[in-house]
Amino acid sequence: DSGVTQTPKHLITATGQRVTLRCSPRSGDLSVYWYQQSLDQGLQFLIQYYNGEERAKGNILERFSAQQFPDLHSELNLSSLELGDSALYFCASSPTSDTGELFFGEGSRLTVL
Amino acid sequence: AQSVTQPDIHITVSEGASLELRCNYSYGATPYLFWYVQSPGQGLQLPLKYFSGDTLVQGIKGFEAEFKRSQSSFNLRKPSVHWSDAAEYFCAVGASNYGQNFVFGPGTRLSVLP
Repeated sequence: DSGVTQTPKHLITATGQRVTLRCSPRSGDLSVYWYQQSLDQGLQFLIQYYNGEERAKGNILERFSAQQFPDLHSELNLSSLELGDSALYFCASSPTSDTGELFFGEGSRLTVL
Repeated sequence: AQSVTQPDIHITVSEGASLELRCNYSYGATPYLFWYVQSPGQGLQLPLKYFSGDTLVQGIKGFEAEFKRSQSSFNLRKPSVHWSDAAEYFCAVGASNYGQNFVFGPGTRLSVLP
């Protein structure tokens, strides 16, 4: 158990809909990262937050957004969903912004029908 | 920007046989190197990491990896594979504290024959 909690574990929705994925980092970790894992793209970095502020942005679509709250949990919002958004979405956390070691949750599997 | 390659998409070994998974990276300085393992339906776990110092790193469950700067490689090895080692293995390089600089390889799927 990495200590990173993600909900929901599975989510099935329709095209055009909006969903929110939630992540609770390990106790004391200030950085939260979101990754998308799909069969054709592998593990793709989406976005990073550090202590409530956006720190780095990767290949995140404009239809997607995220935030980190004062209690350090984070939410990834996916809107106007398309079939191609079906993937496993991972959240990871790290203690500070200085370490490259990430601790991953078990992921949220999103299926868009 | 750094990059990671894992030349083998899929490897099959017999239980009890030795294992070596290859990883090559591209980065201008000494990187942080990691091997993550993803079992079916599970998240990514971290059996092994390299930050600095000794080039041969011991991890959990009998895994070890050797950092070779001259070859830009960080290969994962295990002397005797167990059936429970069947999983997807990802090599990663974390160059700094910025998320986009933590890059994963495409992964190697390990199958273990009884």
